[in-house]
Amino acid sequence: ETGVTQTPRHLVMGMTNKKSLKCEQHLGHNAMYWYKQSAKKPLELMFVYSLEERVENNSVPSRFSPECPNSSHLFLHLHTLQPEDSALYLCASSQSWTSGQETQYFGPGTRLLVL
Amino acid sequence: KNEVEQSPQNLTAQEGEFITINCSYSVGISALHWLQQHPGGGIVSLFMLSSGKKKHGRLIATINIQEKHSSLHITASHPRDSAVYICAVRSARGRRSQGNLIFGKGTKLSVKP
Repeated sequence: ETGVTQTPRHLVMGMTNKKSLKCEQHLGHNAMYWYKQSAKKPLELMFVYSLEERVENNSVPSRFSPECPNSSHLFLHLHTLQPEDSALYLCASSQSWTSGQETQYFGPGTRLLVL
Repeated sequence: KNEVEQSPQNLTAQEGEFITINCSYSVGISALHWLQQHPGGGIVSLFMLSSGKKKHGRLIATINIQEKHSSLHITASHPRDSAVYICAVRSARGRRSQGNLIFGKGTKLSVKP
């Protein structure tokens, strides 16, 4: 039990669909992260939220839209995705973002397939 | 060239063997992490290092800051150790990206019974 949960675990969607990924952390952390993991590539940081404010957006296309309504929840809204967006999407949290000495705790991921 | 390089990319071992996975990086860092990812996808943090050596059970992680190199060792390996092991560094370059991790591509370990 990592304390970070993600739903759904698997998602198949068409290119015209709109869906959302949900992440919830039960650790009292102040920072939350979205990562993308594609086959044979390193994890790519997509977004970082610290104290519910977006502090990093790593040149992610606008078809991915994050939302952080409170420090325990993080969403990734998806619309008009492309097949190359198929990947494992991982959420993580840490106590803070700026200390430089934080361990990140990862959720189980959502495996997304875009048809 | 990635800022974090791992070797080998794939490793197959027999149960009981001593295993070493290497990580080299090219940026100044404030910390280095070793992570374990099982086939289901979930990632677990194994170690966070900024100097020296840490041990947890059969796992040992070392780091040489001058050489910008870290190793993860597994003693008396077991099939349940089969996973992808990922090295990640936290860059020391300025406050803006201080919280972000830079990841290697991972080493896929398979331990045969």
